[in-house]
Amino acid sequence: DAGVIQSPRHEVTEMGQEVTLRCKPISGHNSLFWYRQTMMRGLELLIYFNNNVPIDDSGMPEDRFSAKMPNASFSTLKIQPSEPRDSAVYFCASSLVDWSQPQHFGDGTRLSIL
Amino acid sequence: GQQLNQSPQSMFIQEGEDVSMNCTSSSIFNTWLWYKQDPGEGPVLLIALYKAGELTSNGRLTAQFGITRKDSFLNISASIPSDVGIYFCAGQSNTNAGKSTFGDGTTLTVKP
Repeated sequence: DAGVIQSPRHEVTEMGQEVTLRCKPISGHNSLFWYRQTMMRGLELLIYFNNNVPIDDSGMPEDRFSAKMPNASFSTLKIQPSEPRDSAVYFCASSLVDWSQPQHFGDGTRLSIL
Repeated sequence: GQQLNQSPQSMFIQEGEDVSMNCTSSSIFNTWLWYKQDPGEGPVLLIALYKAGELTSNGRLTAQFGITRKDSFLNISASIPSDVGIYFCAGQSNTNAGKSTFGDGTTLTVKP
């Protein structure tokens, strides 16, 4: 079975540029999560969708970050404009029903903002 | 907010040794999860615990949900080189729906 698929795996761009990260959750999963992982702060939840609707976006750092889930099989996380401090590994995860069930993670996007 | 203290931060052991790591919290969780992360990959779920006192095994791995619901431990028996990686605990509570609180991880190194 295909797991959570993220693209790109790596992204290097200059500050000020727009960055778009993509995620395809596991088919049939109703919940999708975006995380950011850094050495300093560990794994942080950015936003949580259930049935394509954003439920909790309190972890989104600031207005430069936005996330969408136009359908059950696709989500994007956008950063505009990007800054060097946004450099991190961004993970997408999905779960079967809601937050109460274990989340399955993708392999992440390693983002470097120069 | 909820915080998890995971210890130890890192471990260096000899192949064949047993390993134990734990997580403690100042608040109660309804679910405890243990993940392993290999370099360049996302965390992979190892064990999920849903009831206080629950003891669950997955091969050489055993995890327990503490009676107080504020702690959990993970044991690995007879470690092998492929056990190398970062192990994370995560807690979920009904009062903080949608947010898994993650520990800072335990980095395990196994020497052949």
